[in-house]
Amino acid sequence: GQNIDQPTEMTATEGAIVQINCTYQTSGFNGLFWYQQHAGEAPTFLSYNVLDGLEEKGRFSSFLSRSKGYSYLLLKELQMKDSASYLCAVSNTGKLIFGQGTTLQVKP
Amino acid sequence: DAGVIQSPRHEVTEMGQEVTLRCKPISGHDYLFWYRQTMMRGLELLIYFNNNVPIDDSGMPEDRFSAKMPNASFSTLKIQPSEPRDSAVYFCASSFVGANEKLFFGSGTQLSVL
Repeated sequence: GQNIDQPTEMTATEGAIVQINCTYQTSGFNGLFWYQQHAGEAPTFLSYNVLDGLEEKGRFSSFLSRSKGYSYLLLKELQMKDSASYLCAVSNTGKLIFGQGTTLQVKP
Repeated sequence: DAGVIQSPRHEVTEMGQEVTLRCKPISGHDYLFWYRQTMMRGLELLIYFNNNVPIDDSGMPEDRFSAKMPNASFSTLKIQPSEPRDSAVYFCASSFVGANEKLFFGSGTQLSVL
C-alpha cells in the first residue's frame, strides 16, 4: 500500500523559518519530490531527493531519510508569496503519488 | 515552449452528459499523466502513458472514465456518463523520463457536474 502523511495546515510569520514534515510508507521508492501549489493554480516543482541528506536551493531546502521514511521541506526568510499548499510526493514504480498537501499561511 | 496546454479551462455540465477533457503535452516529453484533485482526496493519479501507450490505469475510478493518446501531442480524458461526484480539477502533466523527474503540469480543467 501507499501512505503519505503531512500536516494539513501550518501558519508562520513573514521572515521566519518553517519546516513542513512528510512521512511515507510505500511499497517501492525511487525518489521524493516537493511541489508548491498556489490557490487556483497548478502544482510546480520545488525539489527532488533520491539520496539521504539535505538539498539546498535558495530559500528552500529539502531533507530525506530513506530508512525512516521521512522528509521535510524547510522554507527560510518567509515571504507573503510563500502562502500556498506544499505537496510531498513519492516516485514509485513509474508513478508519482502525492500526499494531501500542507496549506501554509504566512502572516505579516 | 508553451508548456502543457489543457482545454477547456472550465466545464459545467449536467449529470449524465459526456465530458471530454483535452491535453497537449510539452513537445518531446514521452510521459503523460492525468490527475484529479479534490479537497477530500487530494491529487490522485488516474492514468499515465509512455510513448502514447497506457501503462497504468489502476487509478481510473470506474468504467465511466476512459483516456486515449492517439499521438504524441494529444490526449483526452472522457467521462460518460458524468456524475456530480466527478466534480474536481483535472490536471494533465508531462515529463521526459516519467515519474523519476519533475512533472510539468497544465493549468487544469475545473469540472462541475450539476
